[in-house]
Amino acid sequence: KAGVTQTPRYLIKTRGQQVTLSCSPISGHRSVSWYQQTPGQGLQFLFEYFSETQRNKGNFPGRFSGRQFSNSRSEMNVSTLELGDSALYLCASSLDQAGGLTDTQYFGPGTRLTVL
Amino acid sequence: TQLLEQSPQFLSIQEGENLTVYCNSSSVFSSLQWYRQEPGEGPVLLVTVVTGGEVKKLKRLTFQFGDARKDSSLHITAAQPGDTGLYLCAGQGGSEKLVFGKGTKLTVNP
Repeated sequence: KAGVTQTPRYLIKTRGQQVTLSCSPISGHRSVSWYQQTPGQGLQFLFEYFSETQRNKGNFPGRFSGRQFSNSRSEMNVSTLELGDSALYLCASSLDQAGGLTDTQYFGPGTRLTVL
Repeated sequence: TQLLEQSPQFLSIQEGENLTVYCNSSSVFSSLQWYRQEPGEGPVLLVTVVTGGEVKKLKRLTFQFGDARKDSSLHITAAQPGDTGLYLCAGQGGSEKLVFGKGTKLTVNP
């Protein structure tokens, strides 16, 4: 089975621009979550999508948004980029069997976003 | 907001030494997971602990979940250079899918 794939792997943008990142989950996985990883704050939860609906949301401003398609693929969008948005953006997918406590998340390699 | 404090933040040891990484919180978690992340890759799950007081062993790695389900530890015996990486603990229990600690960057020198 192919793992979680994320595109692009690297991205350079300038302040004020917007960006869209893509995530393809493992086949059969219905839940997709997004995380931001920075050296200072570590890994922080952005949001989770399940069956094309946002199910959980972290503490990020409205500039960060996402969506999930019927095939479970997901995209996240960041508008009006700021220097502080430079980070590794990780996507994770899981089977989400009845939202079980031990639902294992499988992470993709991430998209490294640099905002100049 | 639930927080997880990991210590130490950095650890550099010689091959063959033992080490322990700690993960503490004032909140109760329904489960706690340990991940290892290498440069250029996403985190990879090592173990999930669910029951207070639970101990799990994975070869040279021993994971323990505190009785009150607020803390956990990872102990590595006879560390090897291949153990080098960023070790992350993550708790599941609130509205966020997973709450992560900031990680422990381990370097094992040959």
